[in-house]
Amino acid sequence: KAGVTQTPRYLIKTRGQQVTLSCSPISGHRSVSWYQQTPGQGLQFLFEYFSETQRNKGNFPGRFSGRQFSNSRSEMNVSTLELGDSALYLCASSFTGGSQPQHFGDGTRLSIL
Amino acid sequence: GQQVMQIPQYQHVQEGEDFTTYCNSSTTLSNIQWYKQRPGGHPVFLIQLVKSGEVKKQKRLTFQFGEAKKNSSLHITATQTTDVGTYFCAGEGEYGNKLVFGAGTILRVKS
Repeated sequence: KAGVTQTPRYLIKTRGQQVTLSCSPISGHRSVSWYQQTPGQGLQFLFEYFSETQRNKGNFPGRFSGRQFSNSRSEMNVSTLELGDSALYLCASSFTGGSQPQHFGDGTRLSIL
Repeated sequence: GQQVMQIPQYQHVQEGEDFTTYCNSSTTLSNIQWYKQRPGGHPVFLIQLVKSGEVKKQKRLTFQFGEAKKNSSLHITATQTTDVGTYFCAGEGEYGNKLVFGAGTILRVKS
């Protein structure tokens, strides 16, 4: 069974640009969560989608947005990129979210120049 | 909002020594999960604890959930070089809110 797939693996952008990251969950998983990981900050929760609806949201500015498609694939968009957005962005899926264990992808490493 | 603190931030041990990381929540948790992230890898689920005072073992790893369901610990006996990585705890609040991760404990093992 294929794991969680994130594309692209690496991205280099400049300040002010926007970026879209993609996540394909494990087959059958309907919950997709996004996290930002920076050194020393652990995993900061961005948002969770379930059945195409945003179910939970973290404390990030409105520049960070996401969506989920009917096949459970999810995208995350960051607009007007700032230097501080440089991080590893991880996607995790589970059957229904909540207390279920999260299955993580390898992440997209975003570097802002 | 719910906060999960994890200590220590970093620990460097000699191979064969024991290691413990602690996790404390500002609110009562419905359950707590532990993950391991190898260098360059992604977090991998290790275990979930649900009951007050629960203790679970996986070979050399022992996981505990506090009686008040606000703290947890992971203890590794006789560390090996394969244990290196960052260990995260993640707690879910009583009312089914999102998982909140601790900042993680980085474990380095010197052989």
